[in-house]
Amino acid sequence: NAGVTQTPKFRILKIGQSMTLQCTQDMNHNYMYWYRQDPGMGLKLIYYSVGAGITDKGEVPNGYNVSRSTTEDFPLRLELAAPSQTSVYFCASSRTTNSYNEQFFGPGTRLTVL
Amino acid sequence: GQQVMQIPQYQHVQEGEDFTTYCNSSTTLSNIQWYKQRPGGHPVFLIQLVKSGEVKKQKRLTFQFGEAKKNSSLHITATQTTDVGTYFCAGPVGNEKLTFGTGTRLTIIP
Repeated sequence: NAGVTQTPKFRILKIGQSMTLQCTQDMNHNYMYWYRQDPGMGLKLIYYSVGAGITDKGEVPNGYNVSRSTTEDFPLRLELAAPSQTSVYFCASSRTTNSYNEQFFGPGTRLTVL
Repeated sequence: GQQVMQIPQYQHVQEGEDFTTYCNSSTTLSNIQWYKQRPGGHPVFLIQLVKSGEVKKQKRLTFQFGEAKKNSSLHITATQTTDVGTYFCAGPVGNEKLTFGTGTRLTIIP
């Protein structure tokens, strides 16, 4: 199993550009999450999904959109990139529908908006 | 909303010294998880505590869940350079997500 994979690893965007961060998991996990981590800071939840077709906002959803058309994939869309979105983005997944299960994280995407 | 704070924010120790990080929640937790993030890496699950007063050990790491289930600690005995990283606690919010603590960054002086 590859676990949770994310692409790209690095990206530089200009202000106002858009992009999609890809996330795929091969563990058949129901729950998937997107976090951002600013330098030297903790993890903030952007969006999460409890299954295909179901998504919900986290703590910091503004400026982002998500979709979950399959169990495996959970892409994060940035529209009109802003410097405040410079961060490291982590995708994570979890097995079942309760909080007693660990989250598995992808390697992250380092995004810089100039 | 629920807040999870960790202290200290940073800790620098000589190799071989002990290290402790403390996690405090504003609400009672059903369980608490601990993660480690190496520099430049991603968070990796270490352990989960569920019972009041629970203590679990992993080699030189000792994890404790408070009696009131509002606090937790991670203690590392005789730190090694491989222990470098940021340690996060995380508590559940409902049944669907976690709130991560602010993290404690551990650096080791060889």
